[in-house]
Amino acid sequence: AQSVAQPEDQVNVAEGNPLTVKCTYSVSGNPYLFWYVQYPNRGLQFLLKYITGDNLVKGSYGFEAEFNKSQTSFHLKKPSALVSDSALYFCAVRSGYSTLTFGKGTMLLVSP
Amino acid sequence: NAGVTQTPKFRVLKTGQSMTLLCAQDMNHEYMYWYRQDPGMGLRLIHYSVGEGTTAKGEVPDGYNVSRLKKQNFLLGLESAAPSQTSVYFCASSYLGPDGNTIYFGEGSWLTVV
Repeated sequence: AQSVAQPEDQVNVAEGNPLTVKCTYSVSGNPYLFWYVQYPNRGLQFLLKYITGDNLVKGSYGFEAEFNKSQTSFHLKKPSALVSDSALYFCAVRSGYSTLTFGKGTMLLVSP
Repeated sequence: NAGVTQTPKFRVLKTGQSMTLLCAQDMNHEYMYWYRQDPGMGLRLIHYSVGEGTTAKGEVPDGYNVSRLKKQNFLLGLESAAPSQTSVYFCASSYLGPDGNTIYFGEGSWLTVV
């Protein structure tokens, strides 16, 4: 069975500082990894995904994520956080034809 | 460009009542999904469909039924609502394929069962 762990319920960072939201996964076979963002009372919006190739994936709104196969991690990063980045972030994994499995989410709070 | 549209957005039900949530997508996606979101539990898959006329159970299917009579529509039914089904429900869709095709979500339906 596949699974995703987001070890932090909440991440606090000051505006302008770099941010990292952690994600580790477990899957049989090659993983396809995703990050989604959810703003209050809205649906999930796709940020970026890793399928194959370059381990550093660039996505929307200046976010990027680094795939590390040996550590089975896919951490979300941004060099300089904005207050408007405050939201709930979900990591998700699938393999082959399986359905997508989500982590429990990490609330990112960026203070002015 | 509508994408994935869910109706209704908000609903309050009494225990034992029935209702249907409607999902429509205009992207010609083969796959459609229904998830529920509860605090601290992330998103859990209820049912999904890999094509018109087919459905399959997800992680938490009990108490729900689904139908996919048309490719663009995916209906989620609650036959006898229970307070444990109070949740936010999200419909989603994607192309068919094993290569990590992106899933696109609707805006959610807030359901309260009293």
